[in-house]
Amino acid sequence: GENVEQHPSTLSVQEGDSAVIKCTYSDSASNYFPWYKQELGKGPQLIIDIRSNVGEKKDQRIAVTLNKTAKHFSLHITETQPEDSAVYFCAAGSHRGGSEKLVFGKGTKLTVNP
Amino acid sequence: GEEVAQTPKHLVRGEGQKAKLYCAPIKGHSYVFWYQQVLKNEFKFLISFQNENVFDETGMPKERFSAKCLPNSPCSLEIQATKLEDSAVYFCASSQRTDTDTQYFGPGTRLTVL
Repeated sequence: GENVEQHPSTLSVQEGDSAVIKCTYSDSASNYFPWYKQELGKGPQLIIDIRSNVGEKKDQRIAVTLNKTAKHFSLHITETQPEDSAVYFCAAGSHRGGSEKLVFGKGTKLTVNP
Repeated sequence: GEEVAQTPKHLVRGEGQKAKLYCAPIKGHSYVFWYQQVLKNEFKFLISFQNENVFDETGMPKERFSAKCLPNSPCSLEIQATKLEDSAVYFCASSQRTDTDTQYFGPGTRLTVL
């Protein structure tokens, strides 16, 4: 089955710096790659997603890149702010066999220091 | 509603007792997913529904876990004879359609088994 690896597990940056989180996946049938932000005690909140027919997508300070050949995708946050501090999860989904389940990475705890 | 609703927020059970969790998907969403998040942040897919029909139950521990989505009622996840290792946060997510559509997560139910 699908396996998603996420690195780093923790990331500490200064306010205003950029943060990059990387994920790799194993199943070439995966075609949907969302990123979720989870704050303490809350459910995951979708921040951006990308589908396999696109190489890059940007939404204000957040961007995601996808390299299908290498089976990896990355989240880029520019001009980080303290409120960006949270745990970020990447995930991969596919339509294989009709199942839409997401397989998640193990998360990256991002700390933005003022 | 516009958000996925989950009840209760917290549930405490003695080992061997039954636990029942509820989820109301976003209005108009046909797909419901249950995930288990354990202490190390790892998400595990349990089961998904297309309306009231089981879509994918490959993640369900069949012996003690069951789930339903009945018309005009919240979906439910029931654990018979809870074990210590069932302690986790259980998230419900819903999506509008099957084409690897965005999954929106609820706030979760924290189950503690003593």
